[in-house]
Amino acid sequence: GAVVSQHPSRVICKSGTSVKIECRSLDFQATTMFWYRQFPKKSLMLMATSNEGSKATYEQGVEKDKFLINHASLTLSTLTVTSAHPEDSSFYICSARRRESADTQYFGPGTRLTVL
Amino acid sequence: AQKVTQAQTEISVVEKEDVTLDCVYETRDTTYYLFWYKQPPSGELVFLIRRNSFDEQNEISGRYSWNFQKSTSSFNFTITASQVVDSAVYFCALSERRYGGSQGNLIFGKGTKLSVKP
Repeated sequence: GAVVSQHPSRVICKSGTSVKIECRSLDFQATTMFWYRQFPKKSLMLMATSNEGSKATYEQGVEKDKFLINHASLTLSTLTVTSAHPEDSSFYICSARRRESADTQYFGPGTRLTVL
Repeated sequence: AQKVTQAQTEISVVEKEDVTLDCVYETRDTTYYLFWYKQPPSGELVFLIRRNSFDEQNEISGRYSWNFQKSTSSFNFTITASQVVDSAVYFCALSERRYGGSQGNLIFGKGTKLSVKP
């Protein structure tokens, strides 16, 4: 299988606080992990791509200092939303690509972030 | 530019009906992959299929079948004898090749919400 987990599944925080979301590939090594954002009834928007041991590549319009991504190992990537504001409330989904299956991304269950 | 179009925003069918979800894509790449993912109300995207651009054979997996036609740049998905559990949003996606940059990023269509009523 190719299982990807995310933690937490839901988080509610106050405006101005920082929130960390973890993405783990449970049964495979992920050479690349992706972070997406999805607004209600909308498609997925790629935020950034991270390769293990190197800096993340951010999509145009995504603030690097706002959304900190760390890919410390082949099974873990973290997204930190710094100084969160209500407009950051969204559904954040990570995906991981295994070395052996070119281009196929396996998605985590998502994290619902609500900033009050 | 690479683009995926799912023209059907929402489809509603009655259980046991067959339903086809359309996907049309644009790319200048000669090598690419196409995907279908299912997103049930729980939110998790479930991988359904990957198709290489060189493989135009249709594929059948149980009640699911896919029709890939390069001539029309389409990769349609058919569910036969639909069931209530098929209710979900279905996304078609195209892998993107970026020269000098990251490879394999997915370009998603806007999704088609399928509602199967008993």
